Amino acid sequence: EDQVTQSPEALRLQEGESSSLNCSYTVSGLRGLFWYRQDPGKGPEFLFTLYSAGEEKEKERLKATLTKKESFLHITAPKPEDSATYLCGLRLVGSNYKLTFGKGTLLTVNP
Amino acid sequence: NAGVTQTPKFQVLKTGQSMTLQCAQDMNHNSMYWYRQDPGMGLRLIYYSASEGTTDKGEVPNGYNVSRLNKREFSLRLESAAPSQTSVYFCASRDTDQPQHFGDGTRLSIL
Repeated sequence: EDQVTQSPEALRLQEGESSSLNCSYTVSGLRGLFWYRQDPGKGPEFLFTLYSAGEEKEKERLKATLTKKESFLHITAPKPEDSATYLCGLRLVGSNYKLTFGKGTLLTVNP
Repeated sequence: NAGVTQTPKFQVLKTGQSMTLQCAQDMNHNSMYWYRQDPGMGLRLIYYSASEGTTDKGEVPNGYNVSRLNKREFSLRLESAAPSQTSVYFCASRDTDQPQHFGDGTRLSIL
């Protein structure tokens, strides 16, 4: 059975304290991995797509990486405005139109 | 530049009542999706429409029906609402080989 697990469930950081969020998966075949950010009361907002092991994408303080079994979202010197829930979604082989999401990581960055 | 628009934003129903949630996108996307998001469960796919004129079941379709009215609009109907359908409902759309774009959700409470 295909599984997507995000860890930790919640993470509290001080402003400037770098860390990483994890999305691990056990799937039959991966076509793409998507990272989203979700603010309270809003819909998920697209951040990155990764397609193959070794690929990296960066945007401001965020960098996403992908291996054969997991993806990391690295947050460098976070600011309070980076506080949000971060979701990963997987497009699986044979499920061209659908994404399977993890449960998300709630990130809080304190000033 | 609205993107994905969902109406209503909030709704309270009584058990047994029916309701249609509306979704419209102005990006000329082919595919559209309905998800529900519950605490501790993540985003779960209810139904999707790969293209105008087609609809398919997702992970949790029971108790719901959908209509792809035209390329822009994709509605979700609850025929006889149950308390277990209390949730936040998100609509999303995407173009071929592109990430999904989400609306800001409908918060539905069923008493």
